[in-house]
Amino acid sequence: QQQVKQSPQSLIVQKGGISIINCAYENTAFDYFPWYQQFPGKGPALLIAIRPDVSEKKEGRFTISFNKSAKQFSLHIMDSQPGDSATYFCAASNNNDMRFGAGTRLTVKP
Amino acid sequence: DTGVSQNPRHKITKRGQNVTFRCDPISEHNRLYWYRQTLGQGPEFLTYFQNEAQLEKSRLLSDRFSAERPKGSFSTLEIQRTEQGDSAMYLCASSFGAGGATDTQYFGPGTRLTVL
Repeated sequence: QQQVKQSPQSLIVQKGGISIINCAYENTAFDYFPWYQQFPGKGPALLIAIRPDVSEKKEGRFTISFNKSAKQFSLHIMDSQPGDSATYFCAASNNNDMRFGAGTRLTVKP
Repeated sequence: DTGVSQNPRHKITKRGQNVTFRCDPISEHNRLYWYRQTLGQGPEFLTYFQNEAQLEKSRLLSDRFSAERPKGSFSTLEIQRTEQGDSAMYLCASSFGAGGATDTQYFGPGTRLTVL
């Protein structure tokens, strides 16, 4: 059962551009929404996370926008760099039952 | 803090053999999770420990899979009679939390299993 839908599957952005990845969830009991970055052969690394009591969270070049009524959240990467090229996963969790999206492969071209 | 470590990093085995993976969580993390990740997909939850107690198991965890966390420190995941469909990356994560609140999970580098 796919409880978290992520799009796009792949994304190509020019250096300095904005990368936007979207996720939608079904279970309204989810109370924690992290984004993970994964490089080939490595485990996922936490990038940024949000709880549903706020609509936006910014950390450096990374921003999560959260729309509780639409059950959607997105990751914005400002000033994208070639080093940001990786696979990004959104996730949604309730009481440590975490469900992941299928991932977005981001390529930032120099 | 050395992060979550997993051993081995790679395992190649023949169908029908048993394999065991080890996860060492971040010290003092009381919660430990196992996930499976296949190519092009996000991690899928397998099981979860709070201290030494196994609190939740996914339906993905067939009878051939068993996980333990003796003394609430490291954990092992054993797969008996491996099948080719078991080929995947097995990820371990740990967190520190109390009560029912969701806490931040930190992942290890994973063990890549190939069943021939």
